[in-house]
Parts: sequence; structure tokens; C-alpha cells
Amino acid sequence: DTAVSQTPKYLVTQMGNDKSIKCEQNLGHDTMYWYKQDSKKFLKIMFSYNNKELIINETVPNRFSPKSPDKAHLNLHINSLELGDSAVYFCASSQDGRVYNEQFFGPGTRLTVL
Amino acid sequence: ILNVEQSPQSLHVQEGDSTNFTCSFPSSNFYALHWYRWETAKSPEALFVMTLNGDEKKKGRISATLNTKEGYSYLYIKGSQPEDSATYLCAPNGSTLTFGKGTMLLVSP
Repeated sequence: DTAVSQTPKYLVTQMGNDKSIKCEQNLGHDTMYWYKQDSKKFLKIMFSYNNKELIINETVPNRFSPKSPDKAHLNLHINSLELGDSAVYFCASSQDGRVYNEQFFGPGTRLTVL
Repeated sequence: ILNVEQSPQSLHVQEGDSTNFTCSFPSSNFYALHWYRWETAKSPEALFVMTLNGDEKKKGRISATLNTKEGYSYLYIKGSQPEDSATYLCAPNGSTLTFGKGTMLLVSP
């Protein structure tokens, strides 16, 4: 069974569209994250949720809205997609938000905005 | 967001060689240091989480050390194998986990 899953794996869309990426973890973790792998291959934190509550929002444009219907899911909705949003987005989870807990990553979603 | 530097950027070794990489980070406001292994077309997998100055952790042929006072960590791979080929990321944790750009290791048979 996949511990952290993301759908879709690939997403190709036009500028201006709205799209969502889903993430689910079956590890029973309390904390979930969204990362963006930028053009320079850095992994940058976007959001962190603990038990469905937002705890980290790293200056991400408000076109990006995470939604956590329960602690096993953290979906990422993006409005009015721009060319610069093209990237690989990774979801991750950890037991809780404490610094010594390792993070478990999903397979990534490659978003291409045309 | 912490300033994290990893060196070298890439490394090509022969099977059986031992190798090591460096992760440098600000020594102030340190909480923990994570090492991840990231194979191409897969997702990052945790290797170690280290918190104490002088920590040394080992998993098979891979080990890591931590110096929080001077702000660096070393990752060692003994007797590299082709399956060790991957990008190795370090991530110090201040208020958030900040990933370095990684060291890309290629091990040739």
C-alpha cells in the first residue's frame, strides 16, 4: 500500500485555469505538507497542516489554497494558473510537526501550464 | 528560511569507492538536521534525523555526523554501489524544514 499518494501524477493545463491536486496518507500522521520543486530543483515548503489546521504558509500567492477535509488528506487548489506555476509539487506527511520526525513524501505531481 | 549549502553539487565514483558529502547550515537557531535520499523518478526518502551535537548515525554502509556548533554535517557512504546513485538532500530544521539543493551521486559499475 502506498503510504503517501498524490493524484494526478501529471497535469497539463492552460493559463488561467483552476486545478486541484489531491494528497492522501494512510500512515495515521497528524501533519501534512506541500512542497514545490522549483526550476532550480530546490524543494521549498509551501504549506503545513497539523490536524486539519494551517500552521505554516510560506508566502505563497493566495491563488494557492490548501484544503484539509480530514487529517489524512491535504489537497492543493490553484486558481488562475500562471506559467510560473509549472513545477513538480510534492505532498509529505510526518507523525506530528515536531522537528525530529522524518517526513514521508508522495510521488510528486508534475504540473505544466501552457 | 535557512541558508543551506551542500557540496559537492555532483560526484561520480566507481563501485567500491567510499565517498562523503558536506551539508553546511547556520549554527544558530538549530533544532534538527534531516538527510534524505532521492532517486530519479521517485520521491525523497528519509535516511537520518539528527538533533544533538556530535550525533553519529549509521544505516548499513551509510553514516552521518553532526556538528551543530560549527554548522555542518557529513554523510559517508562506504563501498559505494550502483544502487546508491541518487541525490542526497540535507535539511536543517529551524521553524520549517529547508532543503539544500543536494549532492547528486553517480556510482559506475
